Amino acid sequence: AQKITQTQPGMFVQEKEAVTLDCTYDTSDPSYGLFWYKQPSSGEMIFLIYQGSYDQQNATEGRYSLNFQKARKSANLVISASQLGDSAMYFCAMREGAGTASKLTFGTGTRLQVTL
Amino acid sequence: GAGVSQSPRYKVTKRGQDVALRCDPISGHVSLYWYRQALGQGPEFLTYFNYEAQQDKSGLPNDRFSAERPEGSISTLTIQRTEQRDSAMYRCASSLGPGGYEQYFGPGTRLTVT
Repeated sequence: AQKITQTQPGMFVQEKEAVTLDCTYDTSDPSYGLFWYKQPSSGEMIFLIYQGSYDQQNATEGRYSLNFQKARKSANLVISASQLGDSAMYFCAMREGAGTASKLTFGTGTRLQVTL
Repeated sequence: GAGVSQSPRYKVTKRGQDVALRCDPISGHVSLYWYRQALGQGPEFLTYFNYEAQQDKSGLPNDRFSAERPEGSISTLTIQRTEQRDSAMYRCASSLGPGGYEQYFGPGTRLTVT
């Protein structure tokens, strides 16, 4: 089974609108972390937001928020007030386990295109 | 401050040659990771270090791949007897420590094996 599933290969959103990028995950470990990264066409990987499995509140970072629904095993990224510069590939990733466990497992990504 | 740097940024090599890819993590970062990213895919874990100790090498595809971080700072990923299927973007990341800390990625080395 895929550990991280991103079902939207591509998404379009109009400038200034909000958009939700879907991510579901699969783990039996009670301790885990969920990450979102942005990869623009330049190729860099930019960390956006992190949610720990024991965090009570949804993570927010500026225009980014993570809609964490633990029972549904989903960790959707919400981008508010989209900007042209948000056009990029977005990857959801998971770290399983606590302590020294550190490797990230990535999904296949969603390509977001912001239009005028 | 300076981010994660990698060199070379691009490497073209002939099949059968050995290559060494270098990663210089953010100063003070304990943990260093290597990933490989195929075109249109997410990064795939290869190996990681805490300080100089290799903690997990379960993602290395075979014994032609090895990595070291002898002084707990700069790391080298070596691929021996390269094959065409090794062509990919090789990314290094570092974090303050293991566990929940976010990982900061370098620009990657694009390896092409001809």
